[in-house]
Amino acid sequence: SAVISQKPSRDICQRGTSLTIQCQVDSQVTMMFWYRQQPGQSLTLIATANQGSEATYESGFVIDKFPISRPNLTFSTLTVSNMSPEDSSIYLCSVRQNYNSPLHFGNGTRLTVT
Amino acid sequence: DQQVKQNSPSLSVQEGRISILNCDYTNSMFDYFLWYKKYPAEGPTFLISISSIKDKNEDGRFTVFLNKSAKHLSLHIVPSQPGDSAVYFCAASARNRDDKIIFGKGTRLHILP
Repeated sequence: SAVISQKPSRDICQRGTSLTIQCQVDSQVTMMFWYRQQPGQSLTLIATANQGSEATYESGFVIDKFPISRPNLTFSTLTVSNMSPEDSSIYLCSVRQNYNSPLHFGNGTRLTVT
Repeated sequence: DQQVKQNSPSLSVQEGRISILNCDYTNSMFDYFLWYKKYPAEGPTFLISISSIKDKNEDGRFTVFLNKSAKHLSLHIVPSQPGDSAVYFCAASARNRDDKIIFGKGTRLHILP
């Protein structure tokens, strides 16, 4: 399976600031997704990162808060904007080759907002 | 509304015995089911999957059973080893619909020496 590198691995940020998380895959992948895992919760899909076009957001997530870029088939970024303590979570990049294959995840970014 | 439910937050099993992790789902359109394992400070790792056309899939020490009528699946780990101590997530998707993979809240498995 693809090797997925995510940066930073963790960060502590001040309320009101923004953080951009990078996801680099070692091979071209068809589908890339961003998930969030809040403490004690399941993994929740934020959005599908579409190559060369706007991301597709899930209910409860908006582009102004979580802008996503995907300039090519191996790279994507997720920005968490105007952060509040409620944004403290693990953010996970994931990839999938097709609808009959599993998701594979990066190691995640543990974000703490103070 | 949780579409994928793991009702046991944690489970302790003696090393060498069988670990059975359970998962229930509510969406009858789900036709692809997956199990993931997660260690602290790492991303989830894919373990095993099963399509709704099967009722069992086996890979080494891991076997997943699917009971479609009960909307229930389980992961069996035999024999359990210390390295199996982790959080296990059940997940499901409806490949002919929106195909989003939906996760349960996870079960923390402790393997006791």
